[in-house]
Amino acid sequence: DVKVTQSSRYLVKRTGEKVFLECVQDMDHENMFWYRQDPGLGLRLIYFSYDVKMKEKGDIPEGYSVSREKKERFSLILESASTNQTSMYLCASSLGLPGNEQFFGPGTRLTVL
Amino acid sequence: AQSVTQLDSQVPVFEEAPVELRCNYSSSVSVYLFWYVQYPNQGLQLLLKYLSGSTLVKGINGFEAEFNKSQTSFHLRKPSVHISDTAEYFCAVSSFGRRALTFGSGTRLQVQP
Repeated sequence: DVKVTQSSRYLVKRTGEKVFLECVQDMDHENMFWYRQDPGLGLRLIYFSYDVKMKEKGDIPEGYSVSREKKERFSLILESASTNQTSMYLCASSLGLPGNEQFFGPGTRLTVL
Repeated sequence: AQSVTQLDSQVPVFEEAPVELRCNYSSSVSVYLFWYVQYPNQGLQLLLKYLSGSTLVKGINGFEAEFNKSQTSFHLRKPSVHISDTAEYFCAVSSFGRRALTFGSGTRLQVQP
């Protein structure tokens, strides 16, 4: 079974802190994604990566950066957390071509105070 | 650009009744269509997907969906729902030029005894 794990289920941080969200997949997938989930808005793409050290901005990249130094690991970084970044963050991975199933982690619920 | 509209934010239904969750999409290119389910406090799980071929797609847990190109719709149906189907359902689209998914805002299915 494909497994996508996220480092924390719940995280509470203060405004201005630097926040790292980690995601690891165990199926050698080329693509990895970070989405943000908010009620009534569905999931919105923050960043994705199609190979090690390669990344592309998604629909809402402002205030976020990412790092992919190894194929299995994709990190989301909030350089200076703000209250409007309080949300559920979901990581996903998939094989290379579009049309392949994305496998999701359980999510990290981040609260910024 | 592509977009997905889920017409109902909440659908209450009695156990053993049929249900239809509606999804319309917009895209200037050929698309791949997906339905995902999210049970409480969990990540997303693939229900079914349409890539090409037969327009009627069968998925897990007795769900099916029909791709209608002229109506740009991909509605999800189940002939008889169970309490355990209570969850949030997301319609999503991707295309050859976009590996990431574009999600609708979600439909919360509430199955009542």
